[in-house]
Amino acid sequence: GAGVSQSPSNKVTEKGKDVELRCDPISGHTALYWYRQSLGQGLEFLIYFQGNSAPDKSGLPSDRFSAERTGGSVSTLTIQRTQQEDSAVYLCASSLSFSAQETQYFGPGTRLLVL
Amino acid sequence: GENVEQHPSTLSVQEGDSAVIKCTYSDSASNYFPWYKQELGKRPQLIIDIRSNVGEKKDQRIAVTLNKTAKHFSLHITETQPEDSAVYFCAAKQAGTALIFGKGTTLSVSS
Repeated sequence: GAGVSQSPSNKVTEKGKDVELRCDPISGHTALYWYRQSLGQGLEFLIYFQGNSAPDKSGLPSDRFSAERTGGSVSTLTIQRTQQEDSAVYLCASSLSFSAQETQYFGPGTRLLVL
Repeated sequence: GENVEQHPSTLSVQEGDSAVIKCTYSDSASNYFPWYKQELGKRPQLIIDIRSNVGEKKDQRIAVTLNKTAKHFSLHITETQPEDSAVYFCAAKQAGTALIFGKGTTLSVSS
């Protein structure tokens, strides 16, 4: 079946503009996760959703970052007033449930460049 | 919260040699430990995982060992091949939290 998909695949924006990144999880997966990967760096956890609820927002780097999920499916990560340090690959993952031992499947990522 | 340390950050081996990557975690409540492989420009892919009730798991040329007392786990790749070259990430998870990843190991296998 279809895997996790993300759009756009690449986004170039000017400093100060807002951007929206979209994630379509695997059908039937109730848990959804957002990570950020800066060049040559590891995977930084941002936020996760269990259904439409985000119990843990502590990973969001600043109040310019927000995320929502509606209908238990698609999620949008919004970055307001983008800064150059926001440039990174934003990865989304989903799992069947939020059980401790469920496999997370990653999307291809959105490569964001803030000029 | 959980913290995962991964070593080494880079590893170079000759084709056919073995490669070992080690990770330590801080929270004894963590009970799921996956390993992901990320090729250049690609998404991370799960290659093997281990749960806390198991000490070792093997899948062809790759194996993972877990020492819960010492809070460390390791990835072992035998008979390495050039296509094993990638960045490998370990991670740890417990109920009610997301996966916390190590910073990755860049493995280079030269022929």
